[in-house]
Amino acid sequence: EVQLVESGGGLVQPGGSLRLSCAASGFTFSSYDMNWVRQAPGKGLEWVSYIDTSGSTIYYADSVKGRFTISRDNAKNSLYLQMNSLRSEDTAVYYCARDRASSGWLNWGQGTLVTVSS
Amino acid sequence: DIQMTQSPSSLSASVGDRVTITCRASQSITIYLNWYQQKLGKAPKLLIYAASSLQSGVPSRFSGSGFGTDFSLTISSLQPEDFATYYCQQSYSTPLTFGGGTKVEIK
Repeated sequence: EVQLVESGGGLVQPGGSLRLSCAASGFTFSSYDMNWVRQAPGKGLEWVSYIDTSGSTIYYADSVKGRFTISRDNAKNSLYLQMNSLRSEDTAVYYCARDRASSGWLNWGQGTLVTVSS
Repeated sequence: DIQMTQSPSSLSASVGDRVTITCRASQSITIYLNWYQQKLGKAPKLLIYAASSLQSGVPSRFSGSGFGTDFSLTISSLQPEDFATYYCQQSYSTPLTFGGGTKVEIK
């Protein structure tokens, strides 16, 4: 069974940092591109970042470019999101999702809540 | 950036109703359009990919259509478990973008 489990969320002050992790199991992690998506409270879905299988191709939403860094460790079956210079508008549930290119994102984690507040 | 415009933003319908949600892209995305269902407090669930392909395990009352800039998701006979929020998403180019969502509520 495919599982994606996010962790690392919590309460952080504006300007602070947080590192999210997404542990993958049940599939060959190294064969799939991955994404981070977030959802602010009561709002819609916002794509945050994409990384290909090797980590050589990476994209970010403009809203996080220069502050967030996506990475992966295929040996550990894990995806990461390093979030720096956090702002109140970064408050959201963060999901990792397995990318199947033109076949949509079938598998998502349960999400981890990041709250940026003083 | 490709903007995705969903309509309506919300609708009220009864069990058994036929419901159609539309999604318009600001430029052609050919068939790179996916539909997701999200229930409160849960992760999104993939319903339709590549505009019209039904994800395995999803009931056949869900269908998708469209090409280019105009797409639709249809629920042929609304069931109690279908009351949720639905999102379209383009996977044609980055930044990957979602529609604003359509909340389907019970009439």
